[in-house]
Amino acid sequence: GAGVSQSPSNKVTEKGKDVELRCDPISGHTALYWYRQSLGQGLEFLIYFQGNSAPDKSGLPSDRFSAERTGGSVSTLTIQRTQQEDSAVYLCASRTGTGASRYGYTFGSGTRLTVV
Amino acid sequence: AQSVTQLDSHVSVSEGTPVLLRCNYSSSYSPSLFWYVQHPNKGLQLLLKYTSAATLVKGINGFEAEFKKSETSFHLTKPSAHMSDAAEYFCVVSDGSSNTGKLIFGQGTTLQVKP
Repeated sequence: GAGVSQSPSNKVTEKGKDVELRCDPISGHTALYWYRQSLGQGLEFLIYFQGNSAPDKSGLPSDRFSAERTGGSVSTLTIQRTQQEDSAVYLCASRTGTGASRYGYTFGSGTRLTVV
Repeated sequence: AQSVTQLDSHVSVSEGTPVLLRCNYSSSYSPSLFWYVQHPNKGLQLLLKYTSAATLVKGINGFEAEFKKSETSFHLTKPSAHMSDAAEYFCVVSDGSSNTGKLIFGQGTTLQVKP
């Protein structure tokens, strides 16, 4: 597509429920990133995909968080047994190329997750 | 390890006056540096990027930034602020210590533009 698409744009869930957040990157972009933006924590890296593999998962905050990418395209971030501290905006970004890049990334508009 | 420090959490200017948003970086590698802007309830938009070419980088909407290695700075400037510039601005460095290209964000600077 023309840009990075994320869905849903807003999600309200009850504490303890599981949620799935979706990212549809720009067609042909092999690298995909998930970030979390929360008050007081700024923007934090969560996970990096190159194709369907995730060579860097170092930013996932706990084992309740997981992500997958299929067909080198769409990615899903899953949060199990959500907690109130998971409330944040989850941003997805994609770019071309492998490894360290000197080029900008295209971000989606994010999913605002609220855990009540 | 790479890091960026945005020296001001909040900057307020009058419309038509210059804008200066300050950023210092720390990097053991030749850094790639970016400025992103985020308008309320919008995604992140790339303003400009430095990738070891010209040290004075021009971006969109009249913004520019100068890479100063001796000062480890990458300050963002604009000669004349417009009301539409009110937003959150992030200074960002690309992590050169790994092969992932992940971005490391500063804490952000909120720019307020007064009429």
